[in-house]
Amino acid sequence: GQQLNQSPQSMFIQEGEDVSMNCTSSSIFNTWLWYKQDPGEGPVLLIALYKAGELTSNGRLTAQFGITRKDSFLNISASIPSDVGIYFCAGQRPTSGTYKYIFGTGTRLKVLA
Amino acid sequence: EAGVAQSPRYKIIEKRQSVAFWCNPISGHATLYWYQQILGQGPKLLIQFQNNGVVDDSQLPKDRFSAERLKGVDSTLKIQPAKLEDSAVYLCASSLMFVETQYFGPGTRLLVL
Repeated sequence: GQQLNQSPQSMFIQEGEDVSMNCTSSSIFNTWLWYKQDPGEGPVLLIALYKAGELTSNGRLTAQFGITRKDSFLNISASIPSDVGIYFCAGQRPTSGTYKYIFGTGTRLKVLA
Repeated sequence: EAGVAQSPRYKIIEKRQSVAFWCNPISGHATLYWYQQILGQGPKLLIQFQNNGVVDDSQLPKDRFSAERLKGVDSTLKIQPAKLEDSAVYLCASSLMFVETQYFGPGTRLLVL
C-alpha cells in the first residue's frame, strides 16, 4: 500500500538543537497530521493542519501544510531528551464515500543529552 | 476519558495457528480502524468500520484476515492461519466520525514463529 515519504529517516541531535523534518506525497491531501510514537505505544497526535499554507504551533512544535497540498513540515525547537521517538506524518483525503489516512515511513529522532 | 483499549498486548504463535485481537474504542466513537504496523514502517490501514458496517477493507488480506464490529462498539480482528510475515503490531484507532481525529490504542504485538 501507499506510504508517504518522510525525511530524514533518522537523526541524532544534541539537546537544545532545533529539528526539522518533512513529508512528501505525489497526491493531494485535505488534512495533514503529525504523530509521535514512543516504544511500545500507539501513535499520539501532535498537530493537525486543515488548510493549505496553514502554520500551527503546539508548544515547541510547529507544523506547516504545504501550499501544493502535497507536503508538510514539522519543526521542533530546543529539543529535549523526551522528544526521542518516531514521528509520523499522515495525510487524509476523501475516497469512496469516506476519508482515508495514509501514513508516512517515519522519522526516528534521538536526542543526545 | 478512557482511551482505546486493546488486548492482548503481546502474542506469540506458530505459523498456521489462529489468533484474535480485541479492541474497545473510546465511548461514543462511531468510526473504528485496524492498522498493521510492520517494524520500521508506518501504520497501514487494514479495515475501517462506521458503526457496525465496513467502510473500507481494500487492504485486508481476506483469505486469512477477518474482522467484525458487532453492535457498533467492540471489535475483533482474526488471523487464520497466521504466516511469518504477519508478525507486526496491530493498532486499533477510533474517531467520533471518519473526518475527525483518530485516537490510537497501545497495540498488540504479534510474533509468528
